[in-house]
Amino acid sequence: EPEVTQTPSHQVTQMGQEVILRCVPISNHLYFYWYRQILGQKVEFLVSFYNNEISEKSEIFDDQFSVERPDGSNFTLKIRSTKLEDSAMYFCASMIQGGRGEKLFFGSGTQLSVL
Amino acid sequence: QKEVEQDPGPLSVPEGAIVSLNCTYSNSAFQYFMWYRQYSRKGPELLMYTYSSGNKEDGRFTAQVDKSSKYISLFIRDSQPSDSATYLCAMLAGGTSYGKLTFGQGTILTVHP
Repeated sequence: EPEVTQTPSHQVTQMGQEVILRCVPISNHLYFYWYRQILGQKVEFLVSFYNNEISEKSEIFDDQFSVERPDGSNFTLKIRSTKLEDSAMYFCASMIQGGRGEKLFFGSGTQLSVL
Repeated sequence: QKEVEQDPGPLSVPEGAIVSLNCTYSNSAFQYFMWYRQYSRKGPELLMYTYSSGNKEDGRFTAQVDKSSKYISLFIRDSQPSDSATYLCAMLAGGTSYGKLTFGQGTILTVHP
């Protein structure tokens, strides 16, 4: 069964460092998303990406964050200068065209720890 | 008032019990309703999806939506130890990015043998 793949599963970084979280969405999907979940809190929407541009972003997704689809298979989230409060589980998700959330598939996440 | 409220539990039931999980919401724009299951250190996995008031059944799972009361439920019949997980309700507003879900807090469920 096709799945969304995220690497690494766990990333540790120092405050102020740049990190790139990587995702390989399901191959025929066209819509891509990043969510995050701070320990003990809700899963929160960060950004949606379609046709090589951001279609919507939350207030969390400030200038420190950026997303990119550098080739036909990868989708990345970059945090330019990490803060302690960026520590969270980051989930990538993808969806085929025509879905309404019911066709949204999540990866297993990258646990980001900022020290 | 939070957009989506879900009792975080934890909820502990014996095997075979009927489990009822609930969410309330305040945003009338929510039109699509989902229940996800999340195992520890894994991503959410879709269990049920519905967009109309009423009941939808899939095996041991029944999703119920009451738009007039802004209330959704998930019922699990004949619960099994393998059902032990965190259950998340999620909602999608019409006219917004199709994958922009608003999640509840999640309810931690343990089914003991």
